[in-house]
Amino acid sequence: DVKVTQSSRYLVKRTGEKVFLECVQDMDHENMFWYRQDPGLGLRLIYFSYDVKMKEKGDIPEGYSVSREKKERFSLILESASTNQTSMYLCASSSPGQLAKNIQYFGAGTRLSVL
Amino acid sequence: AQTVTQSQPEMSVQEAETVTLSCTYDTSESNYYLFWYKQPPSRQMILVIRQEAYKQQNATENRFSVNFQKAAKSFSLKISDSQLGDTAMYFCAFNHQGAQKLVFGQGTRLTINP
Repeated sequence: DVKVTQSSRYLVKRTGEKVFLECVQDMDHENMFWYRQDPGLGLRLIYFSYDVKMKEKGDIPEGYSVSREKKERFSLILESASTNQTSMYLCASSSPGQLAKNIQYFGAGTRLSVL
Repeated sequence: AQTVTQSQPEMSVQEAETVTLSCTYDTSESNYYLFWYKQPPSRQMILVIRQEAYKQQNATENRFSVNFQKAAKSFSLKISDSQLGDTAMYFCAFNHQGAQKLVFGQGTRLTINP
């Protein structure tokens, strides 16, 4: 089974802090994604990466950055956390190519509260 | 722009009943994939069912089936003989062939009552 592990289930941070959310997958997937989940808005893509050191902005990248130094790990960084970044953050991974069927596999999520 | 719309924020049915969740999408592409994902309370999201747009036959996975109407750009999920474990948020999602990003709907919170 594919395993996508997010380092924290719950985080509480203060406004202005630098926050790191970590995600690790064990299936050698090329693609990794960070989403933000808010009630009534579904999942919105923040950033994704299709290879080590490669990244692309999603729909809501403002206030976030990412790092992918190793294939299995994709980090989401909030440079200066703000209260409007309080949300559930989901990491996902997938493999490109037809056999993979475009299926994404998700971590359990990190619920971040910024006070 | 590609969009996915789930018009039912919440639904509630009794155990063993059949329930249908609605999803519409908008795209100008002809080759694409549609997905239903399930997110149980406090647990991670998992794939329920997947449909390829070029296939006319509706996908089925045990008690879960879809009604795919390509011309109407509609992709509803039917859950038969609903069980308490089906209680979850359900997300409809879309991506076109060659793209890796998914576009998600707003989600439907489904509650199965005993």
